[in-house]
Formats: sequence, C-alpha cells, structure tokens
Amino acid sequence: EAQVTQNPRYLITVTGKKLTVTCSQNMNHEYMSWYRQDPGLGLRQIYYSMNVEVTDKGDVPEGYKVSRKEKRNFPLILESPSPNQTSLYFCASRTAGGLNTEAFFGQGTRLTVV
Amino acid sequence: AQKITQTQPGMFVQEKEAVTLDCTYDTSDPSYGLFWYKQPSSGEMIFLIYQGSYDQQNATEGRYSLNFQKARKSANLVISASQLGDSAMYFCAMREASFGAGSYQLTFGKGTKLSVIP
Repeated sequence: EAQVTQNPRYLITVTGKKLTVTCSQNMNHEYMSWYRQDPGLGLRQIYYSMNVEVTDKGDVPEGYKVSRKEKRNFPLILESPSPNQTSLYFCASRTAGGLNTEAFFGQGTRLTVV
Repeated sequence: AQKITQTQPGMFVQEKEAVTLDCTYDTSDPSYGLFWYKQPSSGEMIFLIYQGSYDQQNATEGRYSLNFQKARKSANLVISASQLGDSAMYFCAMREASFGAGSYQLTFGKGTKLSVIP
C-alpha cells in the first residue's frame, strides 16, 4: 500500500530534550516536506526536500533541522524543543511532476513539549 | 497579505443538503494549482479535488465540485448531498509554479470546520 509513515504518532517531551520524528514513504517520491498545524493558522511548511541531500527552509524553520540521506526518509529533528513547538506535525511527499501532483500526507504526529 | 483566505471558521449544514465552503487566493503567478483537503477528527489529511489555473472547466470528483472563478480569485468547494461523514475540517491550498520555493510548497488557508446536522 502506498503510504507516508510517521513515527511516533503521539509524543510528550520536556523542554530541551532532543527528539526526532521519522518520516518514510514507499512511493519513490522526489519531493518531501514537513508542515506544522496550529489552531487558527492552518498548515505551515517547515522544511522541504527536492531530492536526496537537497533541502531548504519553508516558512517556519526556526528550531528545526532535517536531513535527506535516503530518498525514502526525511526525519524532522528538534535539537532543543520548546513549548512553542507543541503542535501537530505532518510529513508529505509527492512526485516531481507538475502542479497537479497530489501531496500524500502521513498520519500526523501530535507533539507536546512541557 | 494572506495567500489563501477561508472566511468561514465554522459552518453547519443539514444532512442531504448542499454546502459551499469559500476560498479566495492571492497570487501574481499565472500558473498555479488549487487543492482542497479534508481533515476528519482522526487527524489525517485527505485530498479531495484539484483545479489548475489553466483548466477551462470546473473540477468535479463525485459529490465534490470546485466553483472556480479565476477573475475573482475564488475556488469554492461545493459538497452536494451532505453526509454525516462529511463533518470535518476543510482546507484550501495553493501551489504556485514559478515563485522559487512556491512550487515545492502548498500554502494553506486556516480551514473551515463543517458540521453536518442529522
């Protein structure tokens, strides 16, 4: 089954404790992105990757890191999480096609930083 | 300025009735695509429908149709014959072709919460 898999689905952590949210897709997609969703703000892009070893900042990259060492994986790293990073996070992937290519989303990771 | 504006934070509709969710967008790029996603209470993002800026006809997918008015920069989602399972958050999003990172990004509106009443 074609899918984007995020882990964990839920995470509660303490301020300053490094964490990684994993994202893996099995569709051989070139493009991958991370978004965060906050009430009243919709989804905002954190980072994106056009292919292996090629990443760039989205609209809200502060406090996050990413890496793309393999095509299928695109982990999101929070080196020193803070309470303002409490959010619902989505990983998405799509092919390097035209404008109409559908973005496939993972199930979401609900992160709480206390 | 916001690129995607959804002016209805919440909407109610009677089961079996049609409902229109509003979306206006702002871009100077002649080539762009508009998407609607559904997010049920379980949280996943479900793609519903797509409209390209050069598409001559309004997009339709089953009970979903997109009322695309290019000159007014609006892309309203119409759901016909609403069902209880349509209760969810709905997001309008845009992808622009030629604005650097824009082609790698979906810009989302803030969403509209639709509640279907039995």
